[in-house]
Amino acid sequence: DQQVKQNSPSLSVQEGRISILNCDYTNSMFDYFLWYKKYPAEGPTFLISISSIKDKNEDGRFTVFLNKSAKHLSLHIVPSQPGDSAVYFCAASGGLTGANNLFFGTGTRLTVIP
Amino acid sequence: DTGVSQNPRHKITKRGQNVTFRCDPISEHNRLYWYRQTLGQGPEFLTYFQNEAQLEKSRLLSDRFSAERPKGSFSTLEIQRTEQGDSAMYLCASSGGRRGNGGYTFGSGTRLTVV
Repeated sequence: DQQVKQNSPSLSVQEGRISILNCDYTNSMFDYFLWYKKYPAEGPTFLISISSIKDKNEDGRFTVFLNKSAKHLSLHIVPSQPGDSAVYFCAASGGLTGANNLFFGTGTRLTVIP
Repeated sequence: DTGVSQNPRHKITKRGQNVTFRCDPISEHNRLYWYRQTLGQGPEFLTYFQNEAQLEKSRLLSDRFSAERPKGSFSTLEIQRTEQGDSAMYLCASSGGRRGNGGYTFGSGTRLTVV
């Protein structure tokens, strides 16, 4: 069963606008969430994370929002740049599965149009 | 340090053959992970080492799969009697501290094709 879900396989955004990528999870025991970016032929690269004790974490152009009651998190990229075009994976850990392995979503391919 | 290194980058093998992949983590990282990614899916956890001890294994890791990390440095993942369903990208990652420090560092992966 897919415990972390990214329901939008793709997203296209104009350069300079906001990109919003969404992620839902089912396991209420997850307490740590991450976003990774992946370019073709490379491994995923860590982008930003958030602990369940927070509802927002910001790093430059990237902000992650966590809504625990809805079991939903989102990644906002403002302003979007062509170099942001990649596949974005949401991941979660915690609870009975332990802190050592991550559960990933299926990814959202972001295309930023110049 | 050049990050997490995985070799080979690509491997094509015939069904039934054995294959072995190598991962060299970031030298100061004591934790090492193996993940598998198939087309259209996110990475799936296979196994985890802290130093040389294999502390966790997914049920995805059948008895044809074995991983080692001798001396707590590099790691190998061996698949015996490969099957077409083993075709995937095998990713290695390492981390050096508490997970709050920002996640793993992944290698570029080994793409396995079983024909």
